Amino acid sequence: EPEVTQTPSHQVTQMGQEVILRCVPISNHLYFYWYRQILGQKVEFLVSFYNNEISEKSEIFDDQFSVERPDGSNFTLKIRSTKLEDSAMYFCAGGTVAYEQYFGPGTRLTVT
Amino acid sequence: AQSVTQLGSHVSVSEGALVLLRCNYSSSVPPYLFWYVQYPNQGLQLLLKYTTGATLVKGINGFEAEFKKSETSFHLTKPSAHMSDAAEYFCAVSDRTDSSYKLIFGSGTRLLVRP
Repeated sequence: EPEVTQTPSHQVTQMGQEVILRCVPISNHLYFYWYRQILGQKVEFLVSFYNNEISEKSEIFDDQFSVERPDGSNFTLKIRSTKLEDSAMYFCAGGTVAYEQYFGPGTRLTVT
Repeated sequence: AQSVTQLGSHVSVSEGALVLLRCNYSSSVPPYLFWYVQYPNQGLQLLLKYTTGATLVKGINGFEAEFKKSETSFHLTKPSAHMSDAAEYFCAVSDRTDSSYKLIFGSGTRLLVRP
């Protein structure tokens, strides 16, 4: 059974550096999402993406964040200048219908 | 705005006992409701969902949940716990617009299964 995959599984970066987190959704997915989970806290919505554009974003998703799906398969989240508080587990999700979301295993981002 | 409350951050049951994980929601529109399970060091796996229709929904691994509008609840149950059910369980409600169905998650309940 196909699964959503994410790379890398763990990324360590220094404060102020740019990071790109990658997700490969299942091929027939049309709706894409990024969520994050800071250690010990709730899973939080970051952004949704449909038809090659952002459909909704949260307050967390400020100018430091961007998403794109450049080649029709990979779905990336870029953080331009990381802060300590960006340390979290980042989950990608996709679905063929907007309300049914299948999550990847996550990327643990550690900012030092 | 939509919100989810999960009562009990930890629930402990004996193997073979009934599992009951509680979830209450707040929604200004007819809710779409979900339960996800997270095993250690893994992502979130969809257990079951309610969108419309039958209020008792069955999911994977023998779990089921019942949507009760009058009680604004969507509790998760399993008749007989197995050791492999030990995980964290998240209830979520969908906050939907035309092209986005972002999920609002509860704080999660960690299920411990005693031998």
